[in-house]
Amino acid sequence: EVQLVESGGGLVKPGGSLRLSCAASGFTFSTYSMNWFRQTPGKGLEWVSSISTSSNYIDYADSVKGRFTTSRDDAKNSLYLQMNSLRAEDTAVYFCARPSGGESFDYWGQGTLVTVSS
Amino acid sequence: SYDLTQPPSVSVSPGQTASIPCSGHKLGDKFISWYQQRPGQSPVLVIYDDNKRPSGIPERFSGSNSENTATLTISGTQAMDEADYYCQAWDTTTVVFGGGTKLTVL
Repeated sequence: EVQLVESGGGLVKPGGSLRLSCAASGFTFSTYSMNWFRQTPGKGLEWVSSISTSSNYIDYADSVKGRFTTSRDDAKNSLYLQMNSLRAEDTAVYFCARPSGGESFDYWGQGTLVTVSS
Repeated sequence: SYDLTQPPSVSVSPGQTASIPCSGHKLGDKFISWYQQRPGQSPVLVIYDDNKRPSGIPERFSGSNSENTATLTISGTQAMDEADYYCQAWDTTTVVFGGGTKLTVL
């Protein structure tokens, strides 16, 4: 069974940092690109970042470019999101998701809440 | 940037057909996916590649995509279908979502 489990969320002050993790199981993690998404409370979904297999290609939404860094450790079946210079508008539930092999995302984690507030 | 537009809300009576539109420039040239999200839960893929259903998704869910509008159709809507629905596409290397539509079954 495919499982994605996020962790690392919490309360952080503006300007602070946080590192999210996504532990994957039930599939060959190294053969899939992976993605981070976020959802502001009561609002819609927003793509944050994508990382290709072997970390050859990493892309970010303009709203986080230069502040967030995505990485992966295939030996640990894990995906990471390092978030620096956090702002109030980064407050959201962050999800990791696996692409289906096409242009959709067939498995999502349960999400981890990040709250940026003084 | 590429925009996908959805109505904020759609209402349907139980047993009737619900149609949720998603519009975008030349949307028919892209593949559209649809996600269902119930309160407090993660998104669930219900339609991919415009009109394909993943394993385990009921047959009452269907999709279409032509010209500038994609549509998610739920036939014989049930109370359990009440949720937020999001359309999704790719714009070159960026994933784009519609703003979401709250489906109310009443």
